[in-house]
Amino acid sequence: GAGVSQSPSNKVTEKGKDVELRCDPISGHTALYWYRQRLGQGLEFLIYFQGNSAPDKSGLPSDRFSAERTGESVSTLTIQRTQQEDSAVYLCASSLMYTEAFFGQGTRLTVV
Amino acid sequence: GDSVTQMEGPVTLSEEAFLTINCTYTATGYPSLFWYVQYPGEGLQLLLKATKADDKGSNKGFEATYRKETTSFHLEKGSVQVSDSAVYFCALSDLGTGNQFYFGTGTSLTVIP
Repeated sequence: GAGVSQSPSNKVTEKGKDVELRCDPISGHTALYWYRQRLGQGLEFLIYFQGNSAPDKSGLPSDRFSAERTGESVSTLTIQRTQQEDSAVYLCASSLMYTEAFFGQGTRLTVV
Repeated sequence: GDSVTQMEGPVTLSEEAFLTINCTYTATGYPSLFWYVQYPGEGLQLLLKATKADDKGSNKGFEATYRKETTSFHLEKGSVQVSDSAVYFCALSDLGTGNQFYFGTGTSLTVIP
C-alpha cells in the first residue's frame, strides 16, 4: 500500500484478555517502530526493528508485551493479560535508512 | 544517550501571532532532525526536516534551522492560523544509534481567532 497500515483501528477488550495489533509497513522500508501514546501524552517508545538486526526491545514496559516482525514485512504487537493501564493508542511507523519515519493512523486500545 | 527536549505546553496564541517552539537535542553521532505534527484525531505527519548542520527545513510557512553549535532545532512561523492548532513533536534520528528515532514530549498549540 501507499502508507503504513494498522489494524484494527479500534479495539475494546476485557481486562485479562490477550490482544494482537498488526502493522503493515511501507513496502521496502527496513525499519519499523512501535510507540504508545496515552491520552494527551507524548510518544512512548516500545520496540524497534531494523532489517535483520536484533530488535531493540528496551522500551517494552513489561514481559506481557512482545512483538514480532516477519522479515521486512508485517509486524505484530501482542499484549498478554491486558490491564486498564494498557489503554492507549498504539502507533506504528516505518522508514528507510537515513529518511523520515512514516506513521500509521494507530490502533486505539481500550481495556474495560 | 540520545534525547530531545522541547518546550512545555500548552501554548495559546491569537491568529496571526508569531510562533516559536523550542527544541534542543543530545546526540552521539550526526543526527537528522524532524518536526512532526499531530492534528486533532489524526496520526503523526512529517512537517519538515533537516539532515545536516545549517540546513533549514520549511513547509506550510513553518521553518526550523539545524544549529549544531547550540544543538537546537526551534520551530517558527511568522503568522499562525486557527488551522495550525495541533500537537508538535520534535524528533531526531541518529545513525550512531542505528537510525533509532527519539521524540520530544510534544507541545500543544491552540490558535484562537
